[in-house]
Amino acid sequence: QKEVEQNSGPLSVPEGAIASLNCTYSDRGSQSFFWYRQYSGKSPELIMSIYSNGDKEDGRFTAQLNKASQYVSLLIRDSQPSDSATYLCAVNGNSGYALNFGKGTSLLVTP
Amino acid sequence: DAGITQSPRYKITETGRQVTLMCHQTWSHSYMFWYRQDLGHGLRLIYYSAAADITDKGEVPDGYVVSRSKTENFPLTLESATRSQTSVYFCASSVGLAGVGEQFFGPGTRLTVL
Repeated sequence: QKEVEQNSGPLSVPEGAIASLNCTYSDRGSQSFFWYRQYSGKSPELIMSIYSNGDKEDGRFTAQLNKASQYVSLLIRDSQPSDSATYLCAVNGNSGYALNFGKGTSLLVTP
Repeated sequence: DAGITQSPRYKITETGRQVTLMCHQTWSHSYMFWYRQDLGHGLRLIYYSAAADITDKGEVPDGYVVSRSKTENFPLTLESATRSQTSVYFCASSVGLAGVGEQFFGPGTRLTVL
């Protein structure tokens, strides 16, 4: 069973702080990694993708990948109350195009 | 630019009835997927399709049937609905380039089986 693990939270951070979300995965053959944001009652929305070791920045978001440690993280700088949502980590293995999702981390940004 | 749409958005049915959830995408993406999302389980893949007339099982396919006669449509049928199939169902699509796999989700269908 290929697993993607996330701390369920809730992770609470004050407005303006950095939120750090973490994810580990079990399939060493995984090639593609994604972060989705899901507001309550809405569908998942892709916010970041990363394919190679290191950091990838997009606006206030930075994704970090360490394949040796089988670890992927998402940093949100200058967190805003509108960032309050559940963040899903998804991993694409080498056996096809299906994604394995973690159960998500709930983030609460307090004003 | 409609993207990916699902219908109906909400459905209430009874145990034993057949139900079909529709999914339509306007991007001409090759890959399409059906997921269900339940508290405590997260998103689980039911079926996916690599192209018209090519489908394959995901993690939880039992009790579901799919077809894909046209690239843009990927309906999901519950042949005889059970209460355990009460869930939120998401359709997704992907360009499907090797090693990429970014998936984009529809708005979801909330299904209740009484």
